[in-house]
Amino acid sequence: AQTVTQSQPEMSVQEAETVTLSCTYDTSESDYYLFWYKQPPSRQMILVIRQEAYKQQNATENRFSVNFQKAAKSFSLKISDSQLGDAAMYFCAYRPLSGGSNYKLTFGKGTLLTVNP
Amino acid sequence: KAGVTQTPRYLIKTRGQQVTLSCSPISGHRSVSWYQQTPGQGLQFLFEYFSETQRNKGNFPGRFSGRQFSNSRSEMNVSTLELGDSALYLCASSLLGANYEQYFGPGTRLTVT
Repeated sequence: AQTVTQSQPEMSVQEAETVTLSCTYDTSESDYYLFWYKQPPSRQMILVIRQEAYKQQNATENRFSVNFQKAAKSFSLKISDSQLGDAAMYFCAYRPLSGGSNYKLTFGKGTLLTVNP
Repeated sequence: KAGVTQTPRYLIKTRGQQVTLSCSPISGHRSVSWYQQTPGQGLQFLFEYFSETQRNKGNFPGRFSGRQFSNSRSEMNVSTLELGDSALYLCASSLLGANYEQYFGPGTRLTVT
């Protein structure tokens, strides 16, 4: 079974600084997707960034980028120029690309990010 | 385009009762997935429906069931509620195909007393 591990329950960063959230996963699949979701206090789950495992290039979305290390099964999220609005719980998630109809997301436990002014 | 909507947003029920939660996906999305979020267990997959058929199911007891209608709206039912069923229930919709993303609704906060 696939598992996703986020080893940092809480992180904090100063406004305008850079922070990196860690995520490791375990799977026997060769093709899959990895995601970072953000859940602010409103509880609305928002997709931050997506990485396809077959792509070697790391995904980037504005101030958000990932460091995807397939061999190490590592998928970290870097937030540059942190803003107060980035404060939220961040979840790393995995989904297989193939495997019939198994399209469910497997989530990590989350990392609570605090942004200090 | 309107996002995923869930009703009701908040619900308080008593042990032993049953509850039905509703989810309306983004227009054109035919897949609806349900997740349970609790402080202890985190986010756990309940089930997924596509074209009115359950395609995938998580490890939850039979008290948890769902269905999907022809307009892709989905309902989730929990019978004989237990205190441990108190959670945020999230619904997510997506398009058909492997190259898709799941868009989440705001959730229904269920409290069982």
